[in-house]
Amino acid sequence: NAGVTQTPKFRILKIGQSMTLQCTQDMNHNYMYWYRQDPGMGLKLIYYSVGAGITDKGEVPNGYNVSRSTTEDFPLRLELAAPSQTSVYFCASSYSFGGGSYNEQFFGPGTRLTVL
Amino acid sequence: DQQVKQNSPSLSVQEGRISILNCDYTNSMFDYFLWYKKYPAEGPTFLISISSIKDKNEDGRFTVFLNKSAKHLSLHIVPSQPGDSAVYFCAATSQAGTALIFGKGTTLSVSS
Repeated sequence: NAGVTQTPKFRILKIGQSMTLQCTQDMNHNYMYWYRQDPGMGLKLIYYSVGAGITDKGEVPNGYNVSRSTTEDFPLRLELAAPSQTSVYFCASSYSFGGGSYNEQFFGPGTRLTVL
Repeated sequence: DQQVKQNSPSLSVQEGRISILNCDYTNSMFDYFLWYKKYPAEGPTFLISISSIKDKNEDGRFTVFLNKSAKHLSLHIVPSQPGDSAVYFCAATSQAGTALIFGKGTTLSVSS
């Protein structure tokens, strides 16, 4: 049981390039999330998904796209990378949503992205 | 506007003493609160949570206290150990089903 895995661990992009951050979970969770963490800041929600084929915007969705074709995978796409997207990106999953003991979010190890 | 605030960026404590990490929230709709712990180069891991129907939840060395009237919660670690040195994030959500809202985190350093 690997939990939540993310690839790559590190990436440097040039301004205007695109890339996809991969996220996979093996816990059969319906809910998946993408967060970014800027230095000295908390985690901010980019996008989330409540199941295959269903995604919704979080607090900071601009410049990103997501898709959810399977329960396991939730890739995050950056189009036209900008320096403001330099951050650490975390993917997470949970059994359910909102409060309650079943709704603990499990996080991946993160992808550190630098845009120059 | 920050809905979850951790006003102390850092805290230093000696091994064996108590660590108290504080968190304030502004949204009265929040009714479920969580603490996550994060080591460098790793993702956050769940530590302990509390529902608004309780004012205290305990798990080993970790206790979370909730004061709803003050919109304040705190995490107590007793006794503190060097392995507790990490960033601690407070997060809040509601039973109605919203995403977690995180504070900025407090870096705890426990010296031996």
